[in-house]
Amino acid sequence: GAVVSQHPSRVICKSGTSVKIECRSLDFQATTMFWYRQFPKQSLMLMATSNEGSKATYEQGVEKDKFLINHASLTLSTLTVTSAHPEDSSFYICSVSGGTPYNEQFFGPGTRLTVL
Amino acid sequence: QQQVKQSPQSLIVQKGGISIINCAYENTAFDYFPWYQQFPGKGPALLIAIRPDVSEKKEGRFTISFNKSAKQFSLHIMDSQPGDSATYFCAASTLYNQGGKLIFGQGTELSVKP
Repeated sequence: GAVVSQHPSRVICKSGTSVKIECRSLDFQATTMFWYRQFPKQSLMLMATSNEGSKATYEQGVEKDKFLINHASLTLSTLTVTSAHPEDSSFYICSVSGGTPYNEQFFGPGTRLTVL
Repeated sequence: QQQVKQSPQSLIVQKGGISIINCAYENTAFDYFPWYQQFPGKGPALLIAIRPDVSEKKEGRFTISFNKSAKQFSLHIMDSQPGDSATYFCAASTLYNQGGKLIFGQGTELSVKP
């Protein structure tokens, strides 16, 4: 499967600041990237889907002005959490897909965000 | 109709035993059913997947059984090992619609006792 990296692996920030999380597909041209958030002991919740070079499609209830997604190339997508608040503290995970027979999704290692 | 229901929520199995996790879905348009394994603090890893044109798929100690008429599928882990202790998620998608968006089950926390 594809090798996906995320940076940073964990970040602590103050309330009101913005945080950028990078997702890179290291050996795979990802035509589609997905962003999820996961709270402790819960399932993955899809936040948005993005295709290279076009605007992201956000899931219902996800604020697009708060969670800015940029899919600049076939190997890089970024998620910026703007004006972060403690309730945004979560585990953010990206995944990539594209070009494989079953359009499988391959996940990154996740980023733990803590907002103080 | 987009939901995937997974059970049990948690499972304790003795080393060498069989672990069985079940999932059910409603949307008959789903045509791809993967299982993911997630260790604490890590991203999910694709374990095994099945399409509805087969009733069973086996990879090593992991087997998916698929019942199209009942709209159910399950993961069987044979000869379970302590290293299999993790959270398992089933998922479903329509491969070529919505960019292959996955609908995840609620997860099953598996603990394999030595």
